[in-house]
Amino acid sequence: EADIYQTPRYLVIGTGKKITLECSQTMGHDKMYWYQQDPGMELHLIHYSYGVNSTEKGDLSSESTVSRIRTEHFPLTLESARPSHTSQYLCASSSYDLEPQHFGDGTRLSIL
Amino acid sequence: EDQVTQSPEALRLQEGESSSLNCSYTVSGLRGLFWYRQDPGKGPEFLFTLYSAGEEKEKERLKATLTKKESFLHITAPKPEDSATYLCAVVEGYSTLTFGKGTMLLVSP
Repeated sequence: EADIYQTPRYLVIGTGKKITLECSQTMGHDKMYWYQQDPGMELHLIHYSYGVNSTEKGDLSSESTVSRIRTEHFPLTLESARPSHTSQYLCASSSYDLEPQHFGDGTRLSIL
Repeated sequence: EDQVTQSPEALRLQEGESSSLNCSYTVSGLRGLFWYRQDPGKGPEFLFTLYSAGEEKEKERLKATLTKKESFLHITAPKPEDSATYLCAVVEGYSTLTFGKGTMLLVSP
């Protein structure tokens, strides 16, 4: 069973706040990913990393930023939250590109 | 233009009523097609990977097949616990996963 953890699970916060969504995995996977998912819509890749100190933007433009200082940790930061950032954010990891990605249970973010 | 299209969007079955979900794709250099199951409030859970046309994989009541243009997820004699959203995703060339919107399956007792 995959061991990938996201915190918080739910967050309701006001506009303009700085937010960091945490993602950690204990599988030693090099590759990590952040997706955004709205109800009834497909997962959209917003950031990914192929290893420590490597980060890339995904297909969906996002105002968030990420860092990868440790293999197991891939936090996502929003410097100034806006209502348009309201969504579910899913973190995933894998060891190589054709291995299935293992997902966390997501953070449901609501910006008031 | 969507690269991955899943149909139907939603499907309601009676327990024991077999059916199939479809995932059609338009990518040219397919390297792999993935099926995931997603329960409400949870992240996607991996089911199958298919790499080439003609390949089939089975797990309990589920069987996934792949052709050059589409994949089917066959559900035989489903149970209520099979209710979930089923997601299809493809890898083209050396790019990352591209997901479809999913099929929401509800199996009634």
